[in-house]
Amino acid sequence: EVQLVESGGGLVQPGRSLRLSCVGSGFTFDDYAMHWVRQAPGKGLEWVSGISWDSGSVGYAASVKGRFTISRDNAEKSLYLQTSSLRVEDTALYYCVKDGGSRLFPSRSALDIWGQGTMVTVS
Amino acid sequence: DIQMTQSPSSLSASVGDRVTITCRTSQNIRRYLNWYQQKPGKAPNLLISGASSLQSGVPSRFSGSGSGTDFTLTISSLQPEDFATYYCQQSYSTPMYTFGQGTKLEIK
Repeated sequence: EVQLVESGGGLVQPGRSLRLSCVGSGFTFDDYAMHWVRQAPGKGLEWVSGISWDSGSVGYAASVKGRFTISRDNAEKSLYLQTSSLRVEDTALYYCVKDGGSRLFPSRSALDIWGQGTMVTVS
Repeated sequence: DIQMTQSPSSLSASVGDRVTITCRTSQNIRRYLNWYQQKPGKAPNLLISGASSLQSGVPSRFSGSGSGTDFTLTISSLQPEDFATYYCQQSYSTPMYTFGQGTKLEIK
């Protein structure tokens, strides 16, 4: 079974940092680009960041650029999101998401496998 | 940036109804339009990619169509398990994978 499991969320004060992690299983992790997508309570989906299979290409939404850093460790089948200078508006459920068909970032593939999310509350 | 406009934002329908949700983009995205279903407390689930390609395991009552700037998601005969929120998403103008604001489908 293809699975993504996130961890690392929690309650944090504004201005502080948090590192989110995601472990993939059931697929060849380094065959795919990976993404983070977030959802504020009661709101819609917002793409946050993406990374190519080899970490050679990364991208960020304007709302987090300069504050968040995406990375991955293919040997550990893990994806990370280092968040810093957190704001109240960063409060959201953060999903780890597998790219639907490409090693490359950016790609034009859909986002085909989603984890259950890890909640970040900035207050 | 490409703007996504979904309509309606909410919809009440009955089991057995045919339902159509529309997604309009501010620029031509060819067929790089995807649809997701999200049930309360659950992660989104990819239903349709490339405007009309049904994902494996998704019931055939779901279909997608469109190209350019106008797209539709149709559910031919609503089932109880289809009541959820639906999102469109463009993957043409990356790296900004823009989502629509969502359509909440409720039981009438």
